[in-house]
Amino acid sequence: NAGVTQTPKFQVLKTGQSMTLQCAQDMNHNSMYWYRQDPGMGLRLIYYSASEGTTDKGEVPNGYNVSRLNKREFSLRLESAAPSQTSVYFCASNSNGGQETQYFGPGTRLLVL
Amino acid sequence: DAKTTQPPSMDCAEGRAANLPCNHSTISGNEYVYWYRQIHSQGPQYIIHGLKNNETNEMASLIITEDRKSSTLILPHATLRDTAVYYCIVRGLNAGNNRKLIWGLGTSLAVNP
Repeated sequence: NAGVTQTPKFQVLKTGQSMTLQCAQDMNHNSMYWYRQDPGMGLRLIYYSASEGTTDKGEVPNGYNVSRLNKREFSLRLESAAPSQTSVYFCASNSNGGQETQYFGPGTRLLVL
Repeated sequence: DAKTTQPPSMDCAEGRAANLPCNHSTISGNEYVYWYRQIHSQGPQYIIHGLKNNETNEMASLIITEDRKSSTLILPHATLRDTAVYYCIVRGLNAGNNRKLIWGLGTSLAVNP
């Protein structure tokens, strides 16, 4: 049982390049989330997926797209990376978005030059 | 979701109890208090949550005041591995944003030898 896994661990991009951050969970959770964390700020929700086939915007969705590929996988895509998207990205999941706790992945550290 | 206020930093001697306070004076009746922690460079980790009764698990105890406007997370015998940022979060169950955790800056706890 690996929990929540994220790939890649580190990535350097040039401005304008695109990339997809991958997230998978093996806990049969319905809900999945993407957050970003910047120095001096708390985690901010980018997008979430309450269940397979649904996605909704969070607090800071601009510049990102998501895909809930199946129950296990939730990807985050940067179509045209900008230096402002330099951050640490965390994926999380929980069973149905109620009072159950969220389980987090190890994070992806992204640097956009 | 109600806003929370936490001291930015605290110190604790190894082996002693660490008491981390959190104010949530605007908490409403159906909102739970959650505590997470984030050890440097890792994803956040759930610790404990409660509604109005005190709670205890293998990691910590949560004391919620009778008026529910504040709470304290207690690590009974802090170790060096408990050095982390601790987040107090309040979240309701039935609001439209019930899947979203609103993260502040937390308390940076340093456990000293």
